[in-house]
Amino acid sequence: QLQLQESGPGLLKPSETLSLTCTVSDDSIGSSAFYWGWVRQPPGKGPEWIGSFLYSGSTYYNPSLESRVTISADTSKKQYSLKLTSVSAADTAVYYCARHVQGSGWYRGAFHVWGQGTMVTVSS
Amino acid sequence: QSALTQPASVSGSPGQSITISCTGTGSDIGGNNYVSWYQQHPGKAPKLIIYDVSDRPSGVSIRFSGSKSGNTASLTISGLLAEDAADYYCTSYAISNTRVVFGGGTTLTVL
Repeated sequence: QLQLQESGPGLLKPSETLSLTCTVSDDSIGSSAFYWGWVRQPPGKGPEWIGSFLYSGSTYYNPSLESRVTISADTSKKQYSLKLTSVSAADTAVYYCARHVQGSGWYRGAFHVWGQGTMVTVSS
Repeated sequence: QSALTQPASVSGSPGQSITISCTGTGSDIGGNNYVSWYQQHPGKAPKLIIYDVSDRPSGVSIRFSGSKSGNTASLTISGLLAEDAADYYCTSYAISNTRVVFGGGTTLTVL
């Protein structure tokens, strides 16, 4: 059964860069059948889509974050990463990595397998 | 403010059916059939229960069903169980600004 695990610093100062890694338990990250993505959820609020990618294709970002976000993948390590620059308190959230439903385009928003999430706090 | 509007809370008794609405516009829900629903228990990751308006992933109970009419999508849970108490979120593809948008969430209380 596929498992995803997020890792990275839990506390950042304003203006720093958030860097998170998602480790995938199987080899499907390089498959053309699956989109992969990041979703975040501020405390007490609903989730927010950050972006999604297909390893052999393109990467799509939420327009509200696009200027600060980069998602990349390393199939040799079975990992993909999220970088968010110039963070502020508004970026405080639980960050999840997730895999889309097989054969499902990113735009369908159907995240089938999720990591447990990692809390990131931005505070001076 | 979320792009999709959901009621803040709904409640029902065990065995009953409830429906949660998710209202958008013609640029999102009304413009495509890419509506998903998620169930989230406290401290847990969201769980996909419906995608493409009415499809269920394998392993999801048939008590969960989805539908759409115009700019409003709906999630119906029949035969309520205590374990259904959770937060529920809808999502849709927003054509206008090319992104996936979430609703604000609905807390289901099973009385």
